[in-house]
Amino acid sequence: AQSVSQHNHHVILSEAASLELGCNYSYGGTVNLFWYVQYPGQHLQLLLKYFSGDPLVKGIKGFEAEFIKSKFSFNLRKPSVQWSDTAEYFCAVNAGYGGSQGNLIFGKGTKLSVKP
Amino acid sequence: DTAVSQTPKYLVTQMGNDKSIKCEQNLGHDTMYWYKQDSKKFLKIMFSYNNKELIINETVPNRFSPKSPDKAHLNLHINSLELGDSAVYFCASSLRGARSYNEQFFGPGTRLTVL
Repeated sequence: AQSVSQHNHHVILSEAASLELGCNYSYGGTVNLFWYVQYPGQHLQLLLKYFSGDPLVKGIKGFEAEFIKSKFSFNLRKPSVQWSDTAEYFCAVNAGYGGSQGNLIFGKGTKLSVKP
Repeated sequence: DTAVSQTPKYLVTQMGNDKSIKCEQNLGHDTMYWYKQDSKKFLKIMFSYNNKELIINETVPNRFSPKSPDKAHLNLHINSLELGDSAVYFCASSLRGARSYNEQFFGPGTRLTVL
């Protein structure tokens, strides 16, 4: 069965620090990868996605992620965080198209707290 | 012009009651989902509906039943509510098909509290 692991449960950073959140998945075939963000009290919003092509994808708000197939990883990065980045971050994967294979499997989330 | 909307936003009820949560999307998507987010923020899929057909039901008690009157709506009915049902329930939608990558759009969530 597919699974997604996010290594960090809670990350605390000061403003302007660099961010890297780990995400690993377990599936040997073609995958589509996503990072979602959930600001306090709000719904999930898509930060970025990887389907194919350039393994370095850029998303909104200065976030980027790199897909490393050999490591089954899709880590999220941001060079300089802001207080407004305080949120819960979810990595998600789905395998293939349509049917039950198309459903998203989420990691358990990483809470990011940025100190002003 | 909200893409995915849910009502109500908050729902507080007693154990044993029956309740419903409504979801509507205006994105023209053909697949809708319900997720449960527990107190530890863990998101788990409960159901998905594609063209009025249930295509997944992950070990969810049969007290939970999705109802889709049309492609734009997927309501969640819960019978005999239990304390453990307290959570935030998110509706989502996507466009499937041969070239779909299943990017899902989420609603604002419904916080259900069972007393």
